[in-house]
Amino acid sequence: GAVVSQHPSWVICKSGTSVKIECRSLDFQATTMFWYRQFPKQSLMLMATSNEGSKATYEQGVEKDKFLINHASLTLSTLTVTSAHPEDSSFYICSARDRPQTYEQYFGPGTRLTVT
Amino acid sequence: AQSVTQPDIHITVSEGASLELRCNYSYGATPYLFWYVQSPGQGLQLLLKYFSGDTLVQGIKGFEAEFKRSQSSFNLRKPSVHWSDAAEYFCAVGSWGKFQFGAGTQVVVTP
Repeated sequence: GAVVSQHPSWVICKSGTSVKIECRSLDFQATTMFWYRQFPKQSLMLMATSNEGSKATYEQGVEKDKFLINHASLTLSTLTVTSAHPEDSSFYICSARDRPQTYEQYFGPGTRLTVT
Repeated sequence: AQSVTQPDIHITVSEGASLELRCNYSYGATPYLFWYVQSPGQGLQLLLKYFSGDTLVQGIKGFEAEFKRSQSSFNLRKPSVHWSDAAEYFCAVGSWGKFQFGAGTQVVVTP
């Protein structure tokens, strides 16, 4: 149980285009989903927290107009990188929480984004 | 300021030898503590967690961790490593509903 999937697992896009990454909780309803960014050989940095049906809360320094997050249902959250540039190339990981009062998060396998 | 520190960026260990990965945190109260493992190009897998109670926590794959409040530490141990334990290990602290991750420790296992 508690499986989180991400799609696509890797994507290459051209500079200036937008790309959407999906995060799905397969066997539970996710009240909260998180989006992380991981640069090579570095740790995960929290980008934003999204609760179903409400606006995402972005961490300081994360451009909300560039990284659009939508959490339209209890099983799906999307991250759209708008007008992507090479510096946006990274490994994006989502996680989900099944209960509001728990700290436990279930992580997706990640999406490798390369912007050329 | 709140922080999570993994002092060792890289550890090399022989197969069959013991392994200990260090994690120190700085938080106002006792946070919730986690250890995750990440294989190359993969997501994170939870090894174990500590919320309260017994300070020695058993996890999957033969790992255990000990919470020491006096030292603000949550070190991960395994008595005998296997080649498949080669990976990146992250300590994480949960506070105010969010996670903060340490920088990670890369474990290399030699024959």
